[in-house]
Amino acid sequence: NAGVTQTPKFQVLKTGQSMTLQCAQDMNHEYMSWYRQDPGMGLRLIHYSVGAGITDQGEVPNGYNVSRSTTEDFPLRLLSAAPSQTSVYFCASLEGYRTEAFFGQGTRLTVV
Amino acid sequence: DQQVKQNSPSLSVQEGRISILNCDYTNSMFDYFLWYKKYPAEGPTFLISISSIKDKNEDGRFTVFLNKSAKHLSLHIVPSQPGDSAVYFCAAHLDYKLSFGAGTTVTVRA
Repeated sequence: NAGVTQTPKFQVLKTGQSMTLQCAQDMNHEYMSWYRQDPGMGLRLIHYSVGAGITDQGEVPNGYNVSRSTTEDFPLRLLSAAPSQTSVYFCASLEGYRTEAFFGQGTRLTVV
Repeated sequence: DQQVKQNSPSLSVQEGRISILNCDYTNSMFDYFLWYKKYPAEGPTFLISISSIKDKNEDGRFTVFLNKSAKHLSLHIVPSQPGDSAVYFCAAHLDYKLSFGAGTTVTVRA
């Protein structure tokens, strides 16, 4: 049972480049979300989804796009990378309301 | 503005003693609270949770206490072990969204 899988683990981008962070879960969870972790700020919610075809913005959505075409996958797109997007990104899935979230291993992104 | 706050960035404790981590929140609508543990270069892993209708939940060495009137929760680890050295995040649930505190780094000394 792989749980939540994120790729890549590390990435360096130049300012203005675009890329997609991949997230897949094999637990058939309806709820998935993306967080970024920055020093001294904990994890902040970027976007989340309550099911295939349904997404919504979190606390820090600017500069990021998401889509959810299947239950398993929830990719995060950076449209035009900026140095302020240098961070560690975590994808998570939840079985339902008031349940624990399962996290992927994270993607460390550096924008130069 | 952060709705979940962990005001102690770090905690150092001797092996075998109790570790007490604190967390405060501002949104009274939060109805489910969790603690996560995180090692470097890994994702957070779930530790223990508590519903807003309870004031205590225990799981082995870990106990979480909730004081709704004070909007405060705490995590007790007894006894502390070297493997407990990690960053601990407090989180609160509302409408399928989790709000996290900034984390407390725990170091267990031999």
